[in-house]
Amino acid sequence: AQSVSQHNHHVILSEAASLELGCNYSYGGTVNLFWYVQYPGQHLQLLLKYFSGDPLVKGIKGFEAEFIKSKFSFNLRKPSVQWSDTAEYFCAVQLFSGGYNKLIFGAGTRLAVHP
Amino acid sequence: GAGVSQSPRYKVAKRGQDVALRCDPISGHVSLFWYQQALGQGPEFLTYFQNEAQLDKSGLPSDRFFAERPEGSVSTLKIQRTQQEDSAVYLCASSFTGTNYGYTFGSGTRLTVV
Repeated sequence: AQSVSQHNHHVILSEAASLELGCNYSYGGTVNLFWYVQYPGQHLQLLLKYFSGDPLVKGIKGFEAEFIKSKFSFNLRKPSVQWSDTAEYFCAVQLFSGGYNKLIFGAGTRLAVHP
Repeated sequence: GAGVSQSPRYKVAKRGQDVALRCDPISGHVSLFWYQQALGQGPEFLTYFQNEAQLDKSGLPSDRFFAERPEGSVSTLKIQRTQQEDSAVYLCASSFTGTNYGYTFGSGTRLTVV
């Protein structure tokens, strides 16, 4: 069965520290890849996405992610986090097969950034 | 509208009651999805519509869950005889059809079954 694994459930960092959140998926077909962010009390917002082309994608707020096809990975990075990055982060994989269209989420990583 | 609108924002139901959750997608979005997000978990796929056709309902957890989109725009997720394990946030998302479009999510309906 298709699945998305996020390695860290909780991450605590100090401001200005670097961030890397791991994401691996299990699906051998064509995929689109996403990272969503959910700030406390708010709805899911798209952080960045990968459809094709350059495997290093840049998103909003200084986030970037790298798609490594051979490792089935799509890790999220940010060189220097801010207190305002405190949120929950979800990796998601969009699967396609004919008329079949489904977005599968990981369990999420809760990030707390301390000033 | 500008975004995906869901109502009600919060719903408290007594165990055994039926509930109906509404989703108003972005105008022109052909695809509509429902997800269930339990506390501390990632969203879990429930069902997918393309226009009024329900193409995938493999994620609906039981026959107490039913979704419809009769005119290809507004969708309703109905849960009959609610149970405590149904307590979750129910998210709706919409998208243009095709392979290279992301989803836009609504704010969700938080259902609490007491």
